[in-house]
Amino acid sequence: AQSVAQPEDQVNVAEGNPLTVKCTYSVSGNPYLFWYVQYPNRGLQFLLKYITGDNLVKGSYGFEAEFNKSQTSFHLKKPSALVSDSALYFCAGSSGYSSASKIIFGSGTRLSIRP
Amino acid sequence: NAGVTQTPKFQVLKTGQSMTLQCAQDMNHEYMSWYRQDPGMGLRLIHYSVGAGITDQGEVPNGYNVSRSTTEDFPLRLLSAAPSQTSVYFCASSYSRGRAVEQFFGPGTRLTVL
Repeated sequence: AQSVAQPEDQVNVAEGNPLTVKCTYSVSGNPYLFWYVQYPNRGLQFLLKYITGDNLVKGSYGFEAEFNKSQTSFHLKKPSALVSDSALYFCAGSSGYSSASKIIFGSGTRLSIRP
Repeated sequence: NAGVTQTPKFQVLKTGQSMTLQCAQDMNHEYMSWYRQDPGMGLRLIHYSVGAGITDQGEVPNGYNVSRSTTEDFPLRLLSAAPSQTSVYFCASSYSRGRAVEQFFGPGTRLTVL
């Protein structure tokens, strides 16, 4: 069965510092991986995705993610955090066989950026 | 395009009542899914569909039924609501075209079962 894990419930970073939100996956075949952000009382907004190709994926709002096949990880990164980045972040994935039909989410990581 | 729409936005049920959460998309996407979001548990897949007439179970299907008679609509039915089904429910539609894969979410339905 496929699964996505986010080992940290919360990540705290000072504004201007780099941030990393961790994600590991277990899917059969080639993985399709995604990051989403959710602001309070809002739906989910798409940030970026990895399908194939370059291991470093660039997305919205200055975020990027690094795909590491050997470590089965897809960590979300940003070089310089903003207070407005504070939100709930979800990693998600599906297998190449199910592509966009069966996308499984991690438990979420709450990112808090202090001024 | 309205995207993915969900009704109602809020609902309160008593234990044992039934109801249907509505979901519709106007993007002609082949795939649709239902998730529930609970604190500390992220989004869990309830049911999903790969096309009209085809549905399958996700991670937490018990207590929920779905059908997909058209490409546009994917209703979620609770036959006998239980307090454990108190949650926020999100519907999503998605497509896959080669390397283009994307999923769109509705605004959610907040359900409380007393």
